[in-house]
Amino acid sequence: AQKVTQAQTEISVVEKEDVTLDCVYETRDTTYYLFWYKQPPSGELVFLIRRNSFDEQNEISGRYSWNFQKSTSSFNFTITASQVVDSAVYFCALSEARTNAGKSTFGDGTTLTVKP
Amino acid sequence: NAGVTQTPKFRILKIGQSMTLQCTQDMNHNYMYWYRQDPGMGLKLIYYSVGAGITDKGEVPNGYNVSRSTTEDFPLRLELAAPSQTSVYFCASSYSGESNQPQHFGDGTRLSIL
Repeated sequence: AQKVTQAQTEISVVEKEDVTLDCVYETRDTTYYLFWYKQPPSGELVFLIRRNSFDEQNEISGRYSWNFQKSTSSFNFTITASQVVDSAVYFCALSEARTNAGKSTFGDGTTLTVKP
Repeated sequence: NAGVTQTPKFRILKIGQSMTLQCTQDMNHNYMYWYRQDPGMGLKLIYYSVGAGITDKGEVPNGYNVSRSTTEDFPLRLELAAPSQTSVYFCASSYSGESNQPQHFGDGTRLSIL
């Protein structure tokens, strides 16, 4: 069965600090996809990034970067020079290729608070 | 571009009442999903649909029903509201059922059962 663990329930940082959100997953499938979603205080969930199990290249998008390591089953998310607008709940999700209908398993989320 | 639209945004129900949470999408997506998000928790899948006329249970379907008469609409019905159904409900859609497809979410419906 697939499982996603986000061990950090809440993180609080001061603006301009770097912060890393951890995500550890479990799957028996060899082909799978990992996602990060952001849920700002307004409540909607916004897709941030997708990574497939065959692509371990790190990705950088502006202040955001993602580190995918199959050896440790982790897909961590780093925000560089955090800003108040980064305050949100961040969810990591896993979707196995053999799972029909594109169903995803979500972690419980990490609440990030960036203080000015 | 409306995307996924959920109504209502907030609702308070009494125990035993029934209601329907509406969800519509204008992206011509075949796959639609209903999730519930309890405080401090991730999203749990209630029901999903792979196309008009086809629905299936997710992880936590008890107490809910769905229908999918059109591609655009995927309403979620609570027949006998119970306090345990107090939650935030999210509707989502995706273009296909491939595992690489991200889901597009509505803004959520915050439901309280008193």
